[in-house]
Amino acid sequence: QVQLVESGGGVVQPGRSLRLSCAPSGFTFSYYAMHWVRQAPGKGLEWVAVISVDGSNNYYADSVKGRFTISRDNSKNTLHLQMNSLRTEDTAVYYCARDASGSGILDYWGQGTLVTVSS
Amino acid sequence: QSALTQPASVSGSPGQSITISCTGTSSDVGGYDYVSWYRQYPGKAPKLMIYDVSKRPSGVSNRLSGSKSGNTASLTISGLQAEDEADYYCSSYTTSDTLVFGGGTKLTVL
Repeated sequence: QVQLVESGGGVVQPGRSLRLSCAPSGFTFSYYAMHWVRQAPGKGLEWVAVISVDGSNNYYADSVKGRFTISRDNSKNTLHLQMNSLRTEDTAVYYCARDASGSGILDYWGQGTLVTVSS
Repeated sequence: QSALTQPASVSGSPGQSITISCTGTSSDVGGYDYVSWYRQYPGKAPKLMIYDVSKRPSGVSNRLSGSKSGNTASLTISGLQAEDEADYYCSSYTTSDTLVFGGGTKLTVL
């Protein structure tokens, strides 16, 4: 069965960096675009970034552009989100999600990893 | 990248029908038939309920249906049940090759 498992969350000070990972299983990872979506405590979903099947095309929300980098290693079946210059407003649960079609149909989601940015 | 507009809350009694609206622009909802709807229970990950405006993934109840007119998409749940009480989010693909979500709607089954 399809599974997505995020890791790498934790408490970090403002201005520091953190790298999230997502481990997919149960499907051919290299066939699918992948997304990161976040949810601040008590708030709604916010789309963060998407990466194409081969990693050649990436797009970001304005709120993270220039600070976050999405990447993937199809040979190792892993998805990453490198988060630099973290701000308190980046505090959220971060989900990785599979794109079923390349047009934003997020058919499988991980359980999320919590990132807390606080001094 | 402004969020799509959803009502903050809707409510209905068991057996009734409710509709949640999702309003965007011609750059997202109005520009593509790539609107999806997600259900989220507290503390859980979102689950895909509707995609491509009106299609249901396998296993999703046919009590849920989706539609779109212009820049506004809608999710209708008929025959409300207690298990329908959750947060619902719409999303749309955009002309910038990004995704945008709605602010979310809390559905209360009275």
